[in-house]
Amino acid sequence: DGGITQSPKYLFRKEGQNVTLSCEQNLNHDAMYWYRQDPGQGLRLIYYSQIVNDFQKGDIAEGYSVSREKKESFPLTVTSAQKNPTAFYLCASSIVGYVEQYFGPGTRLTVT
Amino acid sequence: KQEVTQIPAALSVPEGENLVLNCSFTDSAIYNFQWFRQDPGKGLTSLLLIQSSQREQTSGRLNASLDKSSGRSTLYIAASQPGDSATYLCAASTGNQFYFGTGTSLTVIP
Repeated sequence: DGGITQSPKYLFRKEGQNVTLSCEQNLNHDAMYWYRQDPGQGLRLIYYSQIVNDFQKGDIAEGYSVSREKKESFPLTVTSAQKNPTAFYLCASSIVGYVEQYFGPGTRLTVT
Repeated sequence: KQEVTQIPAALSVPEGENLVLNCSFTDSAIYNFQWFRQDPGKGLTSLLLIQSSQREQTSGRLNASLDKSSGRSTLYIAASQPGDSATYLCAASTGNQFYFGTGTSLTVIP
C-alpha cells in the first residue's frame, strides 16, 4: 500500500523539550511539506522540500527545524524556541510540477 | 501573498439536499486548485484537483468548478448523505506552495 505515515499519533511533551515528529512516504514523491493546523485557522506551511538535502521555510518556520536526508523521510523537530507548539501537525507529499498533495494522518502534539 | 477564504464556516442541511460550498482567492495566478475533506482528528483526503487549464472536475456526487478570473471555486455536493458530514477545505497552488482556506464544517442531518 502506498501512502504517508506519521508517528506517533499523539505526543505529549514538557515545555522546554525538543520533540521530533516522523513523516515517511512510499509514493516516490519528490516534494514533502509540513503544516500546522490550529482551530479556526486552517493549515499553515512550516517547511517544504522539493529535493533531498534541500528545504525551504514556509510562513511559520520560527521554532521549527527539518532535515531531508532521504527522499522518503522528512522529520520535523519542534524546538523549545517555538512559543506555542501545541497543535495538530500534518505532513504531505506531491510530485513536483503536478502538485496534487497527499496527506498523512497527522500527529497531535500537546506541550504542557 | 495568496489569501483563501471559505464561506460559510459552518453549514447544516437535511439529508438529500444539494449544497454548494464556496471558496475565494485573491491571486488568480494559480497553478492548481484542490478540494479536501477532513474528518475530526484525521488527515486530509483529496476529493478533486482542478488544473489551471480546466474549469471543472467531477467525481460521483461531487463537482468542483474553477473561475480564475473571478477568483472563485465552488464544490457542489448532490443528494447529501450523513456520511458527507466533515470539514471541507480548499487550497490554491502557486506551484511550490498550497494556500488553504479555513474550511467549511458540514453537518448532514438524517
